[in-house]
Amino acid sequence: DIQMTQSPSSLSASVGDRVTITCRASQSISNFLNWYQQKPGKAPKLLIYAASSLQGGVPSRFSGSGSGTDFTLTISSLQREDFASYYCQQSYIAPYTFGRGTKLEIK
Amino acid sequence: QVQLVQSGAEVKKPGASVKVSCKASGYTFSGDYIHWVRQAPGQGLEWMGWLNPKSGGTNYAQKFQGRVTMTRDTSINTAYMELSRLRSDDAAVYYCARGAVGFCGGGTCSQDFDYWGQGTLVTVSS
Repeated sequence: DIQMTQSPSSLSASVGDRVTITCRASQSISNFLNWYQQKPGKAPKLLIYAASSLQGGVPSRFSGSGSGTDFTLTISSLQREDFASYYCQQSYIAPYTFGRGTKLEIK
Repeated sequence: QVQLVQSGAEVKKPGASVKVSCKASGYTFSGDYIHWVRQAPGQGLEWMGWLNPKSGGTNYAQKFQGRVTMTRDTSINTAYMELSRLRSDDAAVYYCARGAVGFCGGGTCSQDFDYWGQGTLVTVSS
């Protein structure tokens, strides 16, 4: 199985900050990498697919990059509604493993 | 609009089985896989397997092999996930998600979970 290592596990930031979350795959997955946002008590929401493509309706302050084994999710200017948990997931081959998540909290 | 609506919360005893349903609407049910993902309290997301609604074919995570069964009823656009021999560590929120084919390259195509059900809480308690 492909292991997804996500860091940091938690992050404190302020409104307006630029934040970056990283995800590393245990083997090359090309750009078969998705990012999800999850708020408490809600289902995850697809933000980024194919490592860097923005899902429809997602604000442009979210961006993704990377290929192979190393990927990043960047939020350019944090808004209050962005405080949530974020998960990376490889969509290359089953089992479609997730990272352990990053909880983004208000400083 | 695309919707996945899941069945309600369940309370089960250890050793019992639970069957969760996921009713799809707003798209062609047979056109995309349905995936099942679970989340234990305070924990991350765990992929359980996929169902091909068109063929009925399945692919289960090894961890759940022998305990999970994914089926569908195409007449009512509904997918099911049944987990047997429940243990306390099976207590979780279970989600269904549509796996849209994103892009293809190198002989494989991505599965992007673009719509999710609202989740079904399964409690396992004696």
